[in-house]
Amino acid sequence: GDSVTQMEGPVTLSEEAFLTINCTYTATGYPSLFWYVQYPGEGLQLLLKATKADDKGSNKGFEATYRKETTSFHLEKGSVQVSDSAVYFCALIGTGNQFYFGTGTSLTVIP
Amino acid sequence: NAGVMQNPRHLVRRRGQEARLRCSPMKGHSHVYWYRQLPEEGLKFMVYLQKENIIDESGMPKERFSAEFPKEGPSILRIQQVVRGDSAAYFCASSPIGGQGINEQFFGPGTRLTVL
Repeated sequence: GDSVTQMEGPVTLSEEAFLTINCTYTATGYPSLFWYVQYPGEGLQLLLKATKADDKGSNKGFEATYRKETTSFHLEKGSVQVSDSAVYFCALIGTGNQFYFGTGTSLTVIP
Repeated sequence: NAGVMQNPRHLVRRRGQEARLRCSPMKGHSHVYWYRQLPEEGLKFMVYLQKENIIDESGMPKERFSAEFPKEGPSILRIQQVVRGDSAAYFCASSPIGGQGINEQFFGPGTRLTVL
């Protein structure tokens, strides 16, 4: 069935460090791919998305490219800030138009 | 425009009691989705509703769980005779147009249920 596997955390980085959170997927067909962010005590917010192969989603300095050949959608940011500390979820829309979420990766950025 | 509202934010129940979780979608949204997030896991889809209709409940446990979205008022997720394994964060999301995948879903802050 459809599924998402993402890098386990927690991840701790110093401010201005480079961030990569890996995400790979299994799906029938060509799903849409998403990254959601969850700040402490809040609901999930859409960070970025890509709907077809080779699309790049970007927002707030974060980027992810839909790679069909490697079935991946890795999240990257060149220089993280303390305010980026949150839990990040990779997700896809799969069979039956349902959302499938990864387990989440907790990021802590220290000054 | 207020976002998706959920209440209560925290709910404590003893085993065997009932839990009622409420979700008010964003203004103008008539599609509601419920998800459950167990500790150390990602969100799992439970049910998708439109006003007065259950569209997809394939993620709902077969027993003790029910959901409704009446013509007036919030959507309700009801858990009867709660057990410790029901302890989780329950998130509601809404969208203005039907179908889960095509349109962005806007999430509420969640209700954290603790069963003692």
